[in-house]
Amino acid sequence: KNEVEQSPQNLTAQEGEFITINCSYSVGISALHWLQQHPGGGIVSLFMLSSGKKKHGRLIATINIQEKHSSLHITASHPRDSAVYICAALTGGATNKLIFGTGTLLAVQP
Amino acid sequence: EPEVTQTPSHQVTQMGQEVILRCVPISNHLYFYWYRQILGQKVEFLVSFYNNEISEKSEIFDDQFSVERPDGSNFTLKIRSTKLEDSAMYFCASKGHYTGELFFGEGSRLTVL
Repeated sequence: KNEVEQSPQNLTAQEGEFITINCSYSVGISALHWLQQHPGGGIVSLFMLSSGKKKHGRLIATINIQEKHSSLHITASHPRDSAVYICAALTGGATNKLIFGTGTLLAVQP
Repeated sequence: EPEVTQTPSHQVTQMGQEVILRCVPISNHLYFYWYRQILGQKVEFLVSFYNNEISEKSEIFDDQFSVERPDGSNFTLKIRSTKLEDSAMYFCASKGHYTGELFFGEGSRLTVL
């Protein structure tokens, strides 16, 4: 069983739709990252959160530590949002390494 | 905007050859990482480096792999004798001590023939 699970694996949406991607984790974390990976391969950190909710533009990330669950929401989706969205658990301790989920491939159609 | 830079962006090599992937982390960061992503799979942790030494390494990071920070700015990953299964995208990342914000490089794609 993966330590970090995401759903759905693939998501197709129409432009303007509200999108939700879910993440569940089974490991202890110091924080959770939401990352974006474009077709060229580069990874960009969107959010790092350890409690509550963060918002950046049309992106909102929430986390429920008790339930070990996080969600990434995209409001008013746009074709340029098309990418792979990855949830990654940041372990604590000296290493602070990331354990990655398998990613959600999002395609937003005009 | 600070950035992590990686070279080369793509390297093709023959099986058994040595490969060095280079990374320039963000200048005041203290934690450095290598991750890899085999095509179609999720990103996997390879190794973390702090205070000029490895702080943790994964099972993947066997004796064929090594990392060093030779000059205080570069952070390199060396694969001594490449295997076909080493073909992957390798990502370098660095993290500041206080903010915890993580920055990734654009990746180095390694193809082993």
